[in-house]
Amino acid sequence: KQEVTQIPAALSVPEGENLVLNCSFTDSAIYNLQWFRQDPGKGLTSLLLIQSSQREQTSGRLNASLDKSSGRSTLYIAASQPGDSATYLCAVPSSNTGKLIFGQGTTLQVKP
Amino acid sequence: EAGVVQSPRYKIIEKKQPVAFWCNPISGHNTLYWYRQNLGQGPELLIRYENEEAVDDSQLPKDRFSAERLKGVDSTLKIQPAELGDSAVYLCASSLELGTDTQYFGPGTRLTVL
Repeated sequence: KQEVTQIPAALSVPEGENLVLNCSFTDSAIYNLQWFRQDPGKGLTSLLLIQSSQREQTSGRLNASLDKSSGRSTLYIAASQPGDSATYLCAVPSSNTGKLIFGQGTTLQVKP
Repeated sequence: EAGVVQSPRYKIIEKKQPVAFWCNPISGHNTLYWYRQNLGQGPELLIRYENEEAVDDSQLPKDRFSAERLKGVDSTLKIQPAELGDSAVYLCASSLELGTDTQYFGPGTRLTVL
């Protein structure tokens, strides 16, 4: 049974810092891995999707890496801004059914 | 292009009352998902539809929960009767194709059962 874990559960950094969010999964046979952002009281916004054949994906100040063999992914946020404050969730599909297995999320606070 | 639409955004009911949530997926998306998200946790799948067919409802508490997607477009999730433990955010998502395509989420319905 696939399990997804995110560490840390919460993170507070000053504005301008580079930071890394971690995601680990127990079953390395994944099709892809997706990072989402969730603002308080809102739904999920897809940030990056990494296919199993890829090692990383970049979008603006965000860079996500994937190491299937070790069951890990990282989300790197460069030059953090207060607007980056949100909960970040990673998720992997359960086999090919499309059912996403989510981590519990990392709540990020970027202080001005 | 409009995203996934959900209504209502918030609902407060007393226990044992019924409640229904509505979702309209992105136009052309054949796959529709209902997830439940408890406070401080990631979402968990309740049911998945391919067009009008429910292809994965193993996590749906069938004694009180029901769902339908009659014409393969919009969908309704119902709880009857609601219990205190049903308080959560109910998220709807859609994707273009089956399986591993990107899922797009709606804003969710926050249910509070008193």
